[in-house]
Amino acid sequence: DSGVTQTPKHLITATGQRVTLRCSPRSGDLSVYWYQQSLDQGLQFLIQYYNGEERAKGNILERFSAQQFPDLHSELNLSSLELGDSALYFCASSVGDSGNEQYFGPGTRLTVT
Amino acid sequence: SQQGEEDPQALSIQEGENATMNCSYKTSINNLQWYRQNSGRGLVHLILIRSNEREKHSGRLRVTLDTSKKSSSLLITASRAADTASYFCATDPKWGNYQLIWGAGTKLIIKP
Repeated sequence: DSGVTQTPKHLITATGQRVTLRCSPRSGDLSVYWYQQSLDQGLQFLIQYYNGEERAKGNILERFSAQQFPDLHSELNLSSLELGDSALYFCASSVGDSGNEQYFGPGTRLTVT
Repeated sequence: SQQGEEDPQALSIQEGENATMNCSYKTSINNLQWYRQNSGRGLVHLILIRSNEREKHSGRLRVTLDTSKKSSSLLITASRAADTASYFCATDPKWGNYQLIWGAGTKLIIKP
């Protein structure tokens, strides 16, 4: 158990809908990262927050947004969902803002029908 | 483009044999990390090697780093069925923007 929690574990929704994925980092970690992993693909970095502020942005679509709250949990919002958004979404956390080992949550499997 | 590239993409060996995976990268780094992912699960951090280190061990894992060739290898000795997973390398670029750069992974299958 990495200490990172993600909810929900599974999500099935229709095209055009909006969903929110939630992540709680390990106790003491200030950074939260979001990744997307499509079937049998590598990890695509989406976005990083450090202590409540956006720190780095990757290949995140404009339809997606995220935030980190004062208690350090984070939410990833996905809107106007398309079939191609079906994927595993992982949250990871680390102590510092760069270069540290990351601890991954179990992921949220999103299926868009 | 991806900083790290693993090779081979897939590797199938008999239980008990050693498995070697390689990772190449393009720019100077602060450190390189290896992670394991069991099917459909979150990644697990295995080992971090800094740019001034050449070799590191952790149990049955041995990681080497050659900064002159911009490459690293992960050796798993005496493989077990439980080692079946995908293995990813990730680099922390010296002049990056905070994010790790991930390779596409090597899928390792250990046959009983």
